[in-house]
Amino acid sequence: DAGVTQSPTHLIKTRGQQVTLRCSPKSGHDTVSWYQQALGQGPQFIFQYYEEEERQRGNFPDRFSGHQFPNYSSELNVNALLLGDSALYLCASAGQGHTYEQYFGPGTRLTVT
Amino acid sequence: QQPVQSPQAVILREGEDAVINCSSSKALYSVHWYRQKHGEAPVFLMILLKGGEQKGHEKISASFNEKKQQSSLYLTASQLSYSGTYFCGTGRNAGNNRKLIWGLGTSLAVNP
Repeated sequence: DAGVTQSPTHLIKTRGQQVTLRCSPKSGHDTVSWYQQALGQGPQFIFQYYEEEERQRGNFPDRFSGHQFPNYSSELNVNALLLGDSALYLCASAGQGHTYEQYFGPGTRLTVT
Repeated sequence: QQPVQSPQAVILREGEDAVINCSSSKALYSVHWYRQKHGEAPVFLMILLKGGEQKGHEKISASFNEKKQQSSLYLTASQLSYSGTYFCGTGRNAGNNRKLIWGLGTSLAVNP
């Protein structure tokens, strides 16, 4: 079992550019959540996808959007990048059930210059 | 409402015990504990649910005081591998159980 995988591992972008991050969930998981983690902070919930729809969203602007594919993999898109978007972006997958545990991927380190 | 974790940092010698607390001002359905080592993804430790159900790591225990909306993580006979940052994530209800609000973390260093 490969666990949760994310790509790329590192990314450097310029202000104003757009970026797409990718996540493949753990085998058997159908729900994907995205988090932003700034240095020294806890993860901040961006949104969650289930059955190819955004089910819940945190306090992030519309510049942050996503998608989930039929194979449960997911993408996070960020438009008009700002310096403050520099962070570690974590993807977490989970299965069904009310007592679920999230499995995190290794993250994508995004640096905006 | 972001949960408050205390202490912010702990330094232990191998074999010592520690308690990390997580408090919320809102009614909670669940508390999730994760440990994150530097440069790595958070790793699941424990889930505690309103009503007393628990699921988690064999060597780590935790409690959930529903009246105080507070959870405590107990690390006993600490090992070097326990070092890392501990985060609690809180869920407001079963329906929102997949949306977690995370604390700022407690940094734990275990020295030989």
